[in-house]
Amino acid sequence: QQQVRQSPQSLTVWEGETAILNCSYENSAFDYFPWYQQFPGEGPALLIAIRSVSDKKEDGGFTIFFNKREKNLSLHIKDSQPGDSATYFCAASAASSSFSKLVFGQGTSLSVVP
Amino acid sequence: GALVYQYPRRTICKSGTSMRMECQAVGFQATSVAWYRQSPQKTFELIALSTVNSAIKYEQNFTQEKFPISHPNLSFSSMTVLNAYLEDRGLYLCGARVRNTEVFFGKGTRLTVV
Repeated sequence: QQQVRQSPQSLTVWEGETAILNCSYENSAFDYFPWYQQFPGEGPALLIAIRSVSDKKEDGGFTIFFNKREKNLSLHIKDSQPGDSATYFCAASAASSSFSKLVFGQGTSLSVVP
Repeated sequence: GALVYQYPRRTICKSGTSMRMECQAVGFQATSVAWYRQSPQKTFELIALSTVNSAIKYEQNFTQEKFPISHPNLSFSSMTVLNAYLEDRGLYLCGARVRNTEVFFGKGTRLTVV
């Protein structure tokens, strides 16, 4: 059972466009949602995160929109650049417990074409 | 920012032999450490979660007998893959949790079994 789902599996946008990556989850106990960026051969790097008490989080050109009722969220990458080409993972955890595990989606592979 | 170093970055071992990998948190104290394995298809499998001075919690399909973990202090953890076989290959990631929410990953140890 996949608790965190991402779509699309892959996405191609032109340089300067806004890339939109989607994520949905099943467990209502999840209340912390980080997004990770991973380049080939590297570990995942924490990009931006949101808690379920908020519906929007911005950091630089990255914005998370969160809908608790629908159990989904999206990552918007504004003014995409070729350097943003990477795989993006949505993750979720119940942050109330220090022993809580981070559950990952399958990832969205983003290509930004010049 | 929080830095997590993993060593070695890559290793090749013969089928049936064992290898040890290390994880070091630099500049912060991790409240817990999680070990993941990322498959060639990029999916994440949680192996185990550990906190200092507490029992290590292994996920289904992973055992202490196969993946013994040492977590002696708040900045260091090591894991050994015993009797490695082809199905054990992948990118092993150490994630260190800070402030009970944010999890920072190292670049991983890529295990190849021949």
